[in-house]
Amino acid sequence: DTGVSQDPRHKITKRGQNVTFRCDPISEHNRLYWYRQTLGQGPEFLTYFQNEAQLEKSRLLSDRFSAERPKGSFSTLEIQRTEQGDSAMYLCASSLVFEGNYGYTFGSGTRLTVV
Amino acid sequence: GENVEQHPSTLSVQEGDSAVIKCTYSDSASNYFPWYKQELGKRPQLIIDIRSNVGEKKDQRIAVTLNKTAKHFSLHITETQPEDSAVYFCAASSLDTGRRALTFGSGTRLQVQP
Repeated sequence: DTGVSQDPRHKITKRGQNVTFRCDPISEHNRLYWYRQTLGQGPEFLTYFQNEAQLEKSRLLSDRFSAERPKGSFSTLEIQRTEQGDSAMYLCASSLVFEGNYGYTFGSGTRLTVV
Repeated sequence: GENVEQHPSTLSVQEGDSAVIKCTYSDSASNYFPWYKQELGKRPQLIIDIRSNVGEKKDQRIAVTLNKTAKHFSLHITETQPEDSAVYFCAASSLDTGRRALTFGSGTRLQVQP
């Protein structure tokens, strides 16, 4: 396990369809984050989990978005009834919290294109 | 919530010159400030970070400075090399809230001309 894995790397979907992305964090990491990044912008926070508990959700996460992290391992992010504005790179990151270590490890992302 | 502003949006330097990228933040509760480097088509990677209890941190050719009073922090890259070309993002969060969700700046595209 050498990093954070995301699947798929690319997804093209028609407007109105549902999509689901998967993130496998570094195995010993207890925190998992989802971010969205549009072209030319920095990543925007969507939600985060500590173990299996979803501790915070951004207001960017409308009711069409849902995220889960069953058993505190991998996570899924589902977007229902996709809209063209959902087109973006969806980044997952994980971290292990201890004194002196605060940085994230990001995955390579899932690029979503809604047509 | 936190708001992080970053400038310049683009920066072109000659190989061997220094590059400085600046960020300001709005939330006085923020106390952790990382910098990420993102090469084209790749994941953001942490290059250096600083906590608010120190004013400066250095790691080889890169350094970060923090001015808590003015709420700004900067990334300094010395002796730039073509492989330093990338987009750099600053970010801020509060370790005390336990959330550690980062608020990112909008990025600086650095081009190092050989």
